[in-house]
Amino acid sequence: NAGVTQTPKFRILKIGQSMTLQCTQDMNHNYMYWYRQDPGMGLKLIYYSVGAGITDKGEVPNGYNVSRSTTEDFPLRLELAAPSQTSVYFCASSYGRNEQYFGPGTRLTVT
Amino acid sequence: ILNVEQSPQSLHVQEGDSTNFTCSFPSSNFYALHWYRWETAKSPEALFVMTLNGDEKKKGRISATLNTKEGYSYLYIKGSQPEDSATYLCAFTNNAGNMLTFGGGTRLMVKP
Repeated sequence: NAGVTQTPKFRILKIGQSMTLQCTQDMNHNYMYWYRQDPGMGLKLIYYSVGAGITDKGEVPNGYNVSRSTTEDFPLRLELAAPSQTSVYFCASSYGRNEQYFGPGTRLTVT
Repeated sequence: ILNVEQSPQSLHVQEGDSTNFTCSFPSSNFYALHWYRWETAKSPEALFVMTLNGDEKKKGRISATLNTKEGYSYLYIKGSQPEDSATYLCAFTNNAGNMLTFGGGTRLMVKP
């Protein structure tokens, strides 16, 4: 099993550009999550999904959108990139509310 | 927004020392408490998921205890080794939702 995979690993965006961060898991987990890591702030939940077709906002959803059309994929969309969205983004998955498995992260810089 | 606090923020110990740190969380509507280990430049990895008051879990030299009535969990590392250097995160979830709320982490550095 590859586990949770994320692409790209690194990206630099200009202010106002858009992009999609990809996340795929091959563990047949029903729950998937997007977090951002800010220095000294730990992990903050952006969006999560408890199954295909269902998504919910986390603590910091503004400026982001998600979709969950399949069990495996949970892409995160940034529509109008802002410097405040410079961060490391982690995707995770779990079976129900059990331990979460994290992807390797995407480092995004918005300038 | 739920408040999950970890202390200390950082800790330097010598190889061979035993150490412990604390996670505090709301004691009402408790569902589960998670501990994760996060090495620099890697992703968080689950250590324990604890659900019952009085739970004690152990993995090698690392163990954890849980007190849901007073809202705290301790993580213990016996005989710290340099490879234990990492940030240790706790995360809390309650009966009201499906989200994990993470604490800010305790950064442990073990000197050889």
